[in-house]
Amino acid sequence: GESVGLHLPTLSVQEGDNSIINCAYSNSASDYFIWYKQESGKGPQFIIDIRSNMDKRQGQRVTVLLNKTVKHLSLQIAATQPGDSAVYFCAEKGEYGNKLVFGAGTILRVKS
Amino acid sequence: DAGVTQSPTHLIKTRGQQVTLRCSPKSGHDTVSWYQQALGQGPQFIFQYYEEEERQRGNFPDRFSGHQFPNYSSELNVNALLLGDSALYLCASSIGTSGEQFFGPGTRLTVL
Repeated sequence: GESVGLHLPTLSVQEGDNSIINCAYSNSASDYFIWYKQESGKGPQFIIDIRSNMDKRQGQRVTVLLNKTVKHLSLQIAATQPGDSAVYFCAEKGEYGNKLVFGAGTILRVKS
Repeated sequence: DAGVTQSPTHLIKTRGQQVTLRCSPKSGHDTVSWYQQALGQGPQFIFQYYEEEERQRGNFPDRFSGHQFPNYSSELNVNALLLGDSALYLCASSIGTSGEQFFGPGTRLTVL
């Protein structure tokens, strides 16, 4: 089916800790995955992406891991900061042309 | 360099009315995609415009229509509004139909 879902709707972490946000996707034909951050009152903001020919990709304080065997995607945020508090979405693209298929989102709350 | 802009910010309509939402893409971008984001959910793809033509469409009824102008800006029109059309409408622009999509802040539509 056409769905990308998240395991945890809300994640609370202490400032300075690492955060891990998970995502399960259903379409094995998808070849491109993106993580977006959405703050209140704003549109989704690109964080990091990964193609299906990769297992891991690192950015500044963020790492995306892709496990194609179990169709699982994760976003790791190192040293989580209060400014990281937002809703995080994974999205996929591939079989459905150029449209992005989004999951429902995970709320990340950072406690100071 | 202005990013993606959308107008209006907020809009209140009643059932049965028609609405037009507007989007100006990021400078240098020629493709516009529209998404509907219901409260607590991820964005859902409506359609994509490139070279003033609808290139791809999601699972939305014909009440949803769009247009792209020669300057690449775009409009989303919704006729015969239903209560269920209440949502945040997001516009995303890209370079080409498969380029990275940059999102605007959205238009919050409330149908009473």
